[in-house]
Amino acid sequence: KAGVTQTPRYLIKTRGQQVTLSCSPISGHRSVSWYQQTPGQGLQFLFEYFSETQRNKGNFPGRFSGRQFSNSRSEMNVSTLELGDSALYLCASSLGLQEYFGPGTRLLVL
Amino acid sequence: AQSVTQPDIHITVSEGASLELRCNYSYGATPYLFWYVQSPGQGLQLLLKYFSGDTLVQGIKGFEAEFKRSQSSFNLRKPSVHWSDAAEYFCAVGEDNNNDMRFGAGTRLTVKP
Repeated sequence: KAGVTQTPRYLIKTRGQQVTLSCSPISGHRSVSWYQQTPGQGLQFLFEYFSETQRNKGNFPGRFSGRQFSNSRSEMNVSTLELGDSALYLCASSLGLQEYFGPGTRLLVL
Repeated sequence: AQSVTQPDIHITVSEGASLELRCNYSYGATPYLFWYVQSPGQGLQLLLKYFSGDTLVQGIKGFEAEFKRSQSSFNLRKPSVHWSDAAEYFCAVGEDNNNDMRFGAGTRLTVKP
């Protein structure tokens, strides 16, 4: 069974631009969560989607948004990028008590 | 708001020795508690999760953690450490699963041969 895939793996943007990251969960998993990891703030939970609905959320500004499609694939969008948005963005899919992470998308904002 | 403290930034243990990583949390109600491990080769993995029931939780890779409400702690243990356990370990607390989830700063584990 294929693991969690994230695209793109690396991305460079400039301040003020917007970005969309994609996550394909493991087949059969309906829950997808997003996390941000930076050297300064560490790991932070962004949001979780389940059956196309946002089920839980962390403490991020409205510039960060997400959605989930009927095939459980998820996208997250960051608008008006700031330098501080440079991070590793991790996606995870869940089934029951287990959670499986993708390799992440490394975003650099210049 | 909930918070998590991992008091030890870096721990070194000898291979075969026992391990305990500390985690203290601040949360009003019954928390959901998690331990994750991150290594360059394996990425981020969920080791175990507590949300109710038995306060001793078994996880993957031979790890276990014990929820102690009176001490607001959720320490991670392993009886015998392997060289492959060298990694960064993160404790996290959430409300109603991962709602408003907060992570600790992490503990880096080095394993001596």
